[in-house]
Amino acid sequence: KQEVTQIPAALSVPEGENLVLNCSFTDSAIYNLQWFRQDPGKGLTSLLLIQSSQREQTSGRLNASLDKSSGRSTLYIAASQPGDSATYLCAVDNYGQNFVFGPGTRLSVLP
Amino acid sequence: EAGVVQSPRYKIIEKKQPVAFWCNPISGHNTLYWYLQNLGQGPELLIRYENEEAVDDSQLPKDRFSAERLKGVDSTLKIQPAELGDSAVYLCASSSLAGDGTGELFFGEGSRLTVL
Repeated sequence: KQEVTQIPAALSVPEGENLVLNCSFTDSAIYNLQWFRQDPGKGLTSLLLIQSSQREQTSGRLNASLDKSSGRSTLYIAASQPGDSATYLCAVDNYGQNFVFGPGTRLSVLP
Repeated sequence: EAGVVQSPRYKIIEKKQPVAFWCNPISGHNTLYWYLQNLGQGPELLIRYENEEAVDDSQLPKDRFSAERLKGVDSTLKIQPAELGDSAVYLCASSSLAGDGTGELFFGEGSRLTVL
């Protein structure tokens, strides 16, 4: 059974810092991996989708990498801003057997 | 383009009462999901539809939960009777691919249920 973990559970950084969020999964036979952002009381907003043939994706200040063989993905946020404060979740797609989500990392960026 | 639409956003009911949630996916998305999210946790799948067919309902508590997706578009999730432990956020999502891998997943705002 696929299990997804995210470290750290919570992170607080001053504005302007670069930071890395980690996602690990136990079964490396995945198809896609997707990173989401969730604001309090809201649904999940898609940030980046890394397809099976890709190793990384970039969108603005965000860069996500995927290493399937080691069961790891990282989300890099450059020059963090207070507006980046949210919970970040990763989810892995087990070849169409549905996405399995991690518990999330709660990020606070202090002005 | 409209995103995934869910209603109601909030619902407060007494235990043993019924409740229903509605979801309209992104136009053209053939795959629809219902997830349950407890506080501080990631979403957990309840049921997945491909068009009208429920292809994975293994995690749906069938004694009290039911779902339908008539005509392969919008969907309804029902709980009857509700229990205190059902208090959670019910999220609907949709994607445009099926088969070996799913496409990008898009979520609605969720329906927050409180059972008193």
